[in-house]
Amino acid sequence: DVKVTQSSRYLVKRTGEKVFLECVQDMDHENMFWYRQDPGLGLRLIYFSYDVKMKEKGDIPEGYSVSREKKERFSLILESASTNQTSMYLCASSLLGGTGNQPQHFGDGTRLSIL
Amino acid sequence: GQQLNQSPQSMFIQEGEDVSMNCTSSSIFNTWLWYKQDPGEGPVLLIALYKAGELTSNGRLTAQFGITRKDSFLNISASIPSDVGIYFCAGQLSGTYKYIFGTGTRLKVLA
Repeated sequence: DVKVTQSSRYLVKRTGEKVFLECVQDMDHENMFWYRQDPGLGLRLIYFSYDVKMKEKGDIPEGYSVSREKKERFSLILESASTNQTSMYLCASSLLGGTGNQPQHFGDGTRLSIL
Repeated sequence: GQQLNQSPQSMFIQEGEDVSMNCTSSSIFNTWLWYKQDPGEGPVLLIALYKAGELTSNGRLTAQFGITRKDSFLNISASIPSDVGIYFCAGQLSGTYKYIFGTGTRLKVLA
């Protein structure tokens, strides 16, 4: 079974702090993704990475950055946390299929509160 | 941006009833996925569909990839209390790694 592990289930930080969310997958997947999930808005893509050191912006990258130094690990960074970044953050990974149509597998999420 | 319209938003059903939900879009997708999310957990993949017209089952769940490649439905037969949760569809845009997610159908089963 695919295992995507997010380092924290719950996190509370203060406005202006630099926040790191970590995600590790154990299935040698090329693609990794970060989403945020908010009530009524569904899942929105923040960033994704299709290879080590490669990244692309998703739909809502403002205020975030990412790091992929190793294939199995994808980090999301909130440069200066703000209260509107309070949300559920979900990491996902997938294989790089020939037509790109491999399903994404999700971690359990990190519920982040910014005070 | 692209959107997926998922309906219904929520539903209460009696245990034993069948359930149907669907997703539609103006965009064409290569792949449709259906996920279930329990409170405080991440989404779990239920069914993946890769070809227009494909009909796939997973136990009491059946999903179909619409012929036009713009829609998909999920049916749950003989619902049980543990079916409670939020069900999401996701469509993969042609030529990209990107998935667009529906806003979810919240299912509540009355015993």
